This record gives sequence, C-alpha cells and structure tokens, in this order.
Amino acid sequence: GAVVSQHPSRVICKSGTSVKIECRSLDFQATTMFWYRQFPKQSLMLMATSNEGSKATYEQGVEKDKFLINHASLTLSTLTVTSAHPEDSSFYICSASRDLISSFGQGTRLTVV
Amino acid sequence: AQKITQTQPGMFVQEKEAVTLDCTYDTSDPSYGLFWYKQPSSGEMIFLIYQGSYDQQNATEGRYSLNFQKARKSANLVISASQLGDSAMYFCAMRESGNTPLVFGKGTRLSVIA
Repeated sequence: GAVVSQHPSRVICKSGTSVKIECRSLDFQATTMFWYRQFPKQSLMLMATSNEGSKATYEQGVEKDKFLINHASLTLSTLTVTSAHPEDSSFYICSASRDLISSFGQGTRLTVV
Repeated sequence: AQKITQTQPGMFVQEKEAVTLDCTYDTSDPSYGLFWYKQPSSGEMIFLIYQGSYDQQNATEGRYSLNFQKARKSANLVISASQLGDSAMYFCAMRESGNTPLVFGKGTRLSVIA
C-alpha cells in the first residue's frame, strides 16, 4: 500500500509563532493530498485539498492566510500554521490516495502555549 | 447533510466475542468507496477494510468483514474474536468518484473487556 510520512509528530510552540508540518508520500507520486484537523473526541474534518503545482482548495470556514499549504512537488505537501494561537491546538493529519486506498500520515499533535 | 452516520458513540465487547459497528451513508454518486479506519490513542489512522460500490461480495480482511447492504446504504464493520488490542476509535468513511477526500463519520469508541 501507499506510505505517507508526516512530521513532526508532536510540536509545542509559543503563541504568535508559525509551525510547519510536512507530509511526504514515500513510494508513490501524489498529485493531491488532503489535510484534516481533529479536535479531541471529534472526527476528522477536512481543512483543505492540496494540489501539486497549484493553489490549495480550502473548506468553508478555514482561513487560507492562517493555514498556508504548499505542494511544490509530487511527493511533498506542507501545512504552515501562521501566527498560531491556543485555539489552533489540535491534531493535524494528512492523507494521500493511491489507487483506491487512502493512506494517512502519522499525524501532528500541535499545542500552542 | 451528513453523509456518514455512526450512531454508536461507544461500544463494549467481551474478549473473543464478535462485535458489529454500524455505519450508514448517503450519496447520489453511483460510484463510491466505503472505508473503515481504526484510530488508537496514538492518533494514527489504520486502514482496515474497503468496499467498492460495485463490489458484489462483502469485503473481508482477516478478522474484519464489512456487511455491505447497498439498498439500505449501510456498511457495518464486523470484528470477530475481539482482542484487547482492538480497543480504539473506529471511523467509517466514504469517498465518492474521482480523487476526492474521505468524509468521516463521528466514530465509535470500542472497548474490549477481558
């Protein structure tokens, strides 16, 4: 199956700083990757669709200037949380599809203090 | 409108027994895929099983089977011979045709009791 690697797995940052999360497809080329956010005891909610070589498509209510997505190559998509605040603390996880199956990165637990 | 419905917030099952986790879905796309993922406390999403809308037979993967009833739009997950390590959150998800994202249900927390 497709292997997706995400890091860091855990990050603590100060309020007002920016955090970059990387998502790599290790054994296949992913023209599209998806970024999800999961608050405690809730389900995964799609934030944005990352398209290689073009702008990301954001879901309603997700601030594109706050959550910057870059998909510069077929194997790497990055999510940057800019000027992070405590309410941005959450679990962020990326996904990419190969054939029929969607594979997920390990997820990043972000804590903003 | 909610596309994936999981009505069981939590379930308990005795070790070695079978358990069914419910999932219903809603779509007008004739081509879609249904997925079940396991999420332990570490947060990783572990793929369990897949069922395509055109698949004639119910999917099976080891101790996991998917009870696919297309007319009822249900895709229940059956775990046989439950193990303590099966305790986790379980998410049902659907993807419609094309390179579209997964849409998840709210999940069911399964607790396996010794």
